[in-house]
Amino acid sequence: AQSVTQLDSQVPVFEEAPVELRCNYSSSVSVYLFWYVQYPNQGLQLLLKYLSGSTLVKGINGFEAEFNKSQTSFHLRKPSVHISDTAEYFCAVRGGNTDKLIFGTGTRLQVFP
Amino acid sequence: DAMVIQNPRYQVTQFGKPVTLSCSQTLNHNVMYWYQQKSSQAPKLLFHYYDKDFNNEADTPDNFQSRRPNTSFCFLDIRSPGLGDAAMYLCATSRGRGAAEAFFGQGTRLTVV
Repeated sequence: AQSVTQLDSQVPVFEEAPVELRCNYSSSVSVYLFWYVQYPNQGLQLLLKYLSGSTLVKGINGFEAEFNKSQTSFHLRKPSVHISDTAEYFCAVRGGNTDKLIFGTGTRLQVFP
Repeated sequence: DAMVIQNPRYQVTQFGKPVTLSCSQTLNHNVMYWYQQKSSQAPKLLFHYYDKDFNNEADTPDNFQSRRPNTSFCFLDIRSPGLGDAAMYLCATSRGRGAAEAFFGQGTRLTVV
């Protein structure tokens, strides 16, 4: 079975500062990894996904993530955040042979002016 | 154009009164998911369909049922809602297993009074 751990429940940061949201996964099979963003009272929107190939994945809104197989991590980064990035961010995993998409507990990114 | 549509966006129901939430998709995806998300928590998978094959999570209460009459539509039935069932219910679709990303609807916020 697959699982995902997001180590930080909240990350406060000032506008224009860099940010990293951490995600670690566990799986006995090959996995596909995703980052989703959720704004208040909205559904989830895909930021980026890792399928295979290059370990550095670029997504929307200036976000990127790096897949590290040896550390079983898929951390999300942005070099300079904006107020509008304030939201809940979820890391998710799906095993290569399943339909199930499993989410981490989420990280609340709060950007201050 | 909305691709995964959930109706209604907000639903108020009485304690113990059956309620149905609906989801439709225009993507012709094989997989449809129902997630329950309580305040400040991760989306929790209740069940999913791969075409007509129904997959129930082991910890999904019997109070929750689902129907998928065709590819486009999926329903979540709560037979006797309790106060603890108040949550955001998210519907998502996916093209298939493995690498396919999930597309989410806007969610239905269920209040039980």
